Order: sequence, then C-alpha cells, then structure tokens
Amino acid sequence: GQNIDQPTEMTATEGAIVQINCTYQTSGFNGLFWYQQHAGEAPTFLSYNVLDGLEEKGRFSSFLSRSKGYSYLLLKELQMKDSASYLCAVMDSNYQLIWGAGTKLIIKP
Amino acid sequence: IAGITQAPTSQILAAGRRMTLRCTQDMRHNAMYWYRQDLGLGLRLIHYSNTAGTTGKGEVPDGYSVSRANTDDFPLTLASAVPSQTSVYFCASSRGDNTEAFFGQGTRLTVV
Repeated sequence: GQNIDQPTEMTATEGAIVQINCTYQTSGFNGLFWYQQHAGEAPTFLSYNVLDGLEEKGRFSSFLSRSKGYSYLLLKELQMKDSASYLCAVMDSNYQLIWGAGTKLIIKP
Repeated sequence: IAGITQAPTSQILAAGRRMTLRCTQDMRHNAMYWYRQDLGLGLRLIHYSNTAGTTGKGEVPDGYSVSRANTDDFPLTLASAVPSQTSVYFCASSRGDNTEAFFGQGTRLTVV
C-alpha cells in the first residue's frame, strides 16, 4: 500500500528553526509537494522537489532523498503566522497525489 | 473570479437528500480534483478529471459522482447523502501532471 508519515504535532518558539519530516512509500514517484494549511482555510502550495537535494525559498527550505523515501521542510525565523498544518504529498506513478495527514505546528512566543 | 471558487461554503443536509457541490476555475487548468478532508486523515481523492470530457475515480468514490462538461466547471454530486459523508470538501485544479494544485476555499458539509 501507499503511505505517507509525518508527525501529528510539533511545537516551536518564535524566531527559532523547526524541521518537519516526511517519509513515504508509494508506487512510483513523480515529485513531492509541501503545502501549508491554516485552520479553516484551503491548502496553499509551498514547495516541490523531484530531484535529491535542498530547495530554498526565503525562510522555507525543502529537502528530498529519493533513495531513503524521505523529505523535510525547514522553517527558519519562525513567526506567529507560521502556526498552521503542513501537508506532505507525493505524486505517484499515475500522477495522483498521495497525502500525509499533516503536521500541526504550534508557535509559542 | 480569480482562481477557483466553491459553493456553497457550508451546508447542513438531511440524510437521503441529493446535493451538488459546485466548483469553478478561471485558470484554464486541464486537471481538476475533488478531495475530502477528515480530522486525523490526509486529503483523500474522490474523483478527478485530467481534461474536459473525462473523469476518473479516486481513492473514495463510492456515493459520489462528477461530470466535466467544460474546462471551467467540475461539480460533485452526492446522490443520497449519508452521515459518513460529513466532511470538508475541497476542489482543486492544476495544469496537469507534476504541477502544483490550487485549492478552493472548501465546503463544510454536515449530513444529519
């Protein structure tokens, strides 16, 4: 079966750095996406990785290791507005997205 | 309209009733999707359409139907609602293949 695992909840302090991990087992791989979802709102796209390595976009970075079936999202200089759920999704061989349950990130002052 | 729009925003529905959730996008995206999101679970794909005139079944299609008569619209119909269909429904669209999906604001449906 196909499976995406990420921690249910994480807590971090404003101004700090946090790393949210995602491991996956899917039938085929056509890229990994990270989305941000604030409570009661729609998911919004953050990053896309299809090759191994680190993709940096401002305060957010995403890393992929295809051989390990592993990705992480790194958030730097945390702000209160970063409190949200972070969703990891893998595109399988049929170009369908398989979604993790999301990691709820709580930022404390 | 800019982006993808869903209607209604929320709905309380009696079990056994028929309901259509509407979804419209103005980005000329080929692919459209319907997901449901339940607490503790990831987004689950109900139905999808890779291009106008074609549809396909996702992970949880039972009790739902879709149509894609044109590029912009992708309605989701519950033929006879049941309480287990209580959920938040998201419509999304993308250019296709391995491109990012854009989501509507969601429809919160409660079946009683």
